[in-house]
Amino acid sequence: DIQMTQSPSSLSASVGDRVTITCRASQSISRYLNWYQQKPGKAPKLLIYAASSLQSGVPSRFSGSGSGTDFTLTISSLQPEDFATYYCQQSYRTPYTFGQGTKLEIK
Amino acid sequence: EVQLLESGGGLVQPGGSLRLSCAVSGFTFSSYAMSWVRQAPGKGLEWVSAISGSGGSTYNADSVKGRFTISRDNSKNTLYLQMNSLRAEDTAVYYCAKGVSSGWYPNLLFDYWGQGTLVTVSS
Repeated sequence: DIQMTQSPSSLSASVGDRVTITCRASQSISRYLNWYQQKPGKAPKLLIYAASSLQSGVPSRFSGSGSGTDFTLTISSLQPEDFATYYCQQSYRTPYTFGQGTKLEIK
Repeated sequence: EVQLLESGGGLVQPGGSLRLSCAVSGFTFSSYAMSWVRQAPGKGLEWVSAISGSGGSTYNADSVKGRFTISRDNSKNTLYLQMNSLRAEDTAVYYCAKGVSSGWYPNLLFDYWGQGTLVTVSS
């Protein structure tokens, strides 16, 4: 199975900060990397697909980059509604695996 | 508006069975692969099962292989997960999730999710 490792596991930041979350795959997955946001008690929401494509309706402050094994999710200017847990997911090979999550908290 | 509504969760004893349902609306159900993704309490996401739009192709993770069966009724716009021989480690919120194409391989990602249904396996 392809292992997905996110860093950091948790992060404290302030409104207006620029934040970057990293996801590393245990083998090359080309650009088959997706990012989700999950708020407590809610279902995940697709933010970014194919490493850098913004899902419809997602604010442009979210962006993704990377290919191969190393990927990043960047939030350019944190808003109060962005405090949540973020997961990466590889869709290159079954079983499609998720990272362990990065919890973004208010400083 | 796309909607996915899971039902069927609850408390079941180890070794027992449960069938989850996911009723969908707002899109052409038969045109899209569907999946079940679960989340144990306080834990991350685990992809469990997938089925193609036609229902002709399915996938189950090793952790549930031989115990869980995914199916769909395209005439009823409903996805199912039959769960047998349940174990304590199957305790989780189960989400149904919509794929972005008719197949689940390659490149299955999830653009819409239901609100989840909690399955608790305990004596």
